[in-house]
Amino acid sequence: KQEVTQIPAALSVPEGENLVLNCSFTDSAIYNLQWFRQDPGKGLTSLLLIQSSQREQTSGRLNASLDKSSGRSTLYIAASQPGDSATYLCAVVTNDYKLSFGAGTTVTVRA
Amino acid sequence: AAGVIQSPRHLIKEKRETATLKCYPIPRHDTVYWYQQGPGQDPQFLISFYEKMQSDKGSIPDRFSAQQFSDYHSELNMSSLELGDSALYFCASSPPLGAYNEQFFGPGTRLTVL
Repeated sequence: KQEVTQIPAALSVPEGENLVLNCSFTDSAIYNLQWFRQDPGKGLTSLLLIQSSQREQTSGRLNASLDKSSGRSTLYIAASQPGDSATYLCAVVTNDYKLSFGAGTTVTVRA
Repeated sequence: AAGVIQSPRHLIKEKRETATLKCYPIPRHDTVYWYQQGPGQDPQFLISFYEKMQSDKGSIPDRFSAQQFSDYHSELNMSSLELGDSALYFCASSPPLGAYNEQFFGPGTRLTVL
């Protein structure tokens, strides 16, 4: 069974600092990996999707890397802003196509 | 751009009642997934449908059933509701297989069981 772990569980940084969020998974036979953002009590917004054959994806201030062999992904958010405060969830898809989520990292960016 | 639509957005039920949640996928998406997110928990996969057939089943209680209709919308039926069923229920859809299987989530239905 795929286990997804996110470290740290919570992170508080001053505005402008870069954010580094880590995700690890136990079964490296993944189809792809998605990073999501979730605001309190709200839905899931897809941020980046990395295919198993890719090493990284970039969108604006966001960059996600994937090392499938070691079962790790890292989400970098450059020059953080208070509006980046949210919970960030990592999820992997194995060949059964369903998402297995980590517990998330709750980020607070202090103005 | 069209997104996944879920209705209702909020639902309050009593114990032992029945609830029906609806999901309308993005046009031309043929796969629908249902997830349950309890308070402070990560989303857990319940069930999925591909081309109107059940494709996978996760931790879905026997009291719950779901189906996908000819227009690709899906309904999750929940009977004999329990307090522990209170959660956010998400529906996601993805385009035909082979297109990277990115899942697009709806805003969720918040179910409260009293």
